Parts: sequence; structure tokens; C-alpha cells
Amino acid sequence: VHLEESGGGVVRPGGALRLSCEASGFTFDDYGMSWVRQVPGKGLECICAINWNGVTTVYADSVKGRFTISRDNAKNSLYLQMSSLRAEDTAFYYCARERSASYGFDFWGRGTLVTVSS
Amino acid sequence: SDVLTQPPSVSVAPGQTARITCERDDIGSKSVHWYQQKPGQAPVLVVYADVDRPSGIPDRFSGSNSANTATLTISRVEAGDEADYYCQIYNSSRDHPWVFGGGTKLTVL
Repeated sequence: VHLEESGGGVVRPGGALRLSCEASGFTFDDYGMSWVRQVPGKGLECICAINWNGVTTVYADSVKGRFTISRDNAKNSLYLQMSSLRAEDTAFYYCARERSASYGFDFWGRGTLVTVSS
Repeated sequence: SDVLTQPPSVSVAPGQTARITCERDDIGSKSVHWYQQKPGQAPVLVVYADVDRPSGIPDRFSGSNSANTATLTISRVEAGDEADYYCQIYNSSRDHPWVFGGGTKLTVL
């Protein structure tokens, strides 16, 4: 199982960025996927999740209306479209696999750093 | 909001047993997962569904969950166990059901 995020970088406040997560080593559309972020030196926050077929999405209040999670099962890929970025969105962003609520996030990518700064 | 409370830090000597707690009213009714995160690395699931270990996780790691406290126990602690540890639950009664504890820094003396 391998998850690899890409797309992080430096962006100005109010800007937009799209993160990608490429999955391999498992049947991608058997799993729900999430984005979990971590402000450097701080704790973990699950900001959004998507079910196996992309029909159901859930967002934390902190990103609702600004971020959009999506997936392309044909490409084994997960995405996070981020807009109206704020300084407080500066964090490492991890994609994580979740078989079900009873099993937790069993595999994580290495993360990609998003820095929102003028 | 739903809050999982962990001690900020726990210290233990090598070879001893470390216990990291995660507190919440009636957490015993939830399935608790534990993650280990070493500096500069992604989190790793070490215990899921209160007591189960993923493949490859040593049996020195164990979990329990009852009433208002879930506990991650690390037996025969090694220097390589030094890390941050996070508990997590799925609370289906919330719109956004994933909740993480604030994390505990385990220091091996």
C-alpha cells in the first residue's frame, strides 16, 4: 500500500491550491479516503472525507465551503481543491485510507506542506 | 464539540511500561484507535478498535477501553518508541464524526 501526496507549496492568502494523492498497492475504490492536516508542532485534524464512490463527502467546519474533496477511481487518485486560503490553513496535509469507522486510518501518505503567506 | 483529553507528556525508562490515557465521557461506548507519529513522519496506526493491532505492530502495544478512559499501553518500552501518540474516535452522532485527541509526547528517559 502506498499513498503519495503532491501539490503543496506556498500560496498567498485568498489564493487556491489543488492537492493530489496517488494510491497504489490496493483496490482504491474499496476504501473511503480522507484528508488529515497538521499544523507544524500541533495535533491532527481530519478536515474532510469521501466515500468509496465519491457520492458522500463530509467536511469539518473549518474548511466547509472553501475546500472540496473528490476522487477519480479510474486514476486511483484523491484530490483536495482548496480556495480562499488563510494563514491558519498552513499545515502538512496527509491523505489517509479508512476501511471503515471501526478500523481507523490504516495507511497514510507522507504528507505535503501547504504554506499560506504573503 | 467532542473532546478527547490526553496528557501532554508521559515519561518512562527503557524496559518499563508506559500508559497513555484518552478521556471522554462514555468513551467506552466508542471504538478507539491509536496512532504513533515520530518526528518528521506520518502517523502510523498502532491499535484499532480499542484492542486490535495492525499487522507488523509489536505485541508490546496494547489497548483497553472502558467507561470514560481508553488506554494505550506500551510494554518493555524501547528508545524507538519515543514519539507522539494520538487517540481517535468516530462519533456517528456528529456531522463531522472524526475526532482526535490532542496528542501525548512519550519520552524515553
